[in-house]
Amino acid sequence: EAGVVQSPRYKIIEKKQPVAFWCNPISGHNTLYWYRQNLGQGPELLIRYENEEAVDDSQLPKDRFSAERLKGVDSTLKIQPAELGDSAVYLCASSLVTGVRNIQYFGAGTRLSVL
Amino acid sequence: QQQVKQSPQSLIVQKGGISIINCAYENTAFDYFPWYQQFPGKGPALLIAIRPDVSEKKEGRFTISFNKSAKQFSLHIMDSQPGDSATYFCAASETGAGSYQLTFGKGTKLSVIP
Repeated sequence: EAGVVQSPRYKIIEKKQPVAFWCNPISGHNTLYWYRQNLGQGPELLIRYENEEAVDDSQLPKDRFSAERLKGVDSTLKIQPAELGDSAVYLCASSLVTGVRNIQYFGAGTRLSVL
Repeated sequence: QQQVKQSPQSLIVQKGGISIINCAYENTAFDYFPWYQQFPGKGPALLIAIRPDVSEKKEGRFTISFNKSAKQFSLHIMDSQPGDSATYFCAASETGAGSYQLTFGKGTKLSVIP
């Protein structure tokens, strides 16, 4: 079974440019997460989807970040315009929530460098 | 405010030795404590997890010890191997609130030398 697939793996852009990341979760997983991982830090949640609904976006910088999960499957995360401080690894995770069991499976991430 | 504090930041252990990583949390509503392992260029992968109703959980060479009164938990890797060299993250979640949001520690880079 394929895991969480993210693309691109690497992206280098100049500041003020837009950028988008794509995530394909594990088939059947109803919950999808976007995390940001700064160098030497643990992942920090940006947004969580249950099916196609964003149920927790309190930590998403909404002035420049946006996300969508069409049809409750694939998801995209967009930054427009990008700033130098956005350089990080953007991780997507998915899980199948059953009762209190919720194992999150992570993709390999997209490493963003903003110059 | 960092809700999960992890130490040490880095750890060097001889092959066959015991690796110990510690975490402390502040939110008493946390009720799920997983450990994730991350290799360079890869996403974190669940290694082992514990709930506060038990004080210890063992899976192979990996053991979580949990101290609810002290709000601390630790990962022990027995007979550490070079293949265990990775970054380890502790995390905590408040599943009772239905959010399942994981709050991660800052990570420990483990190097196991032959």
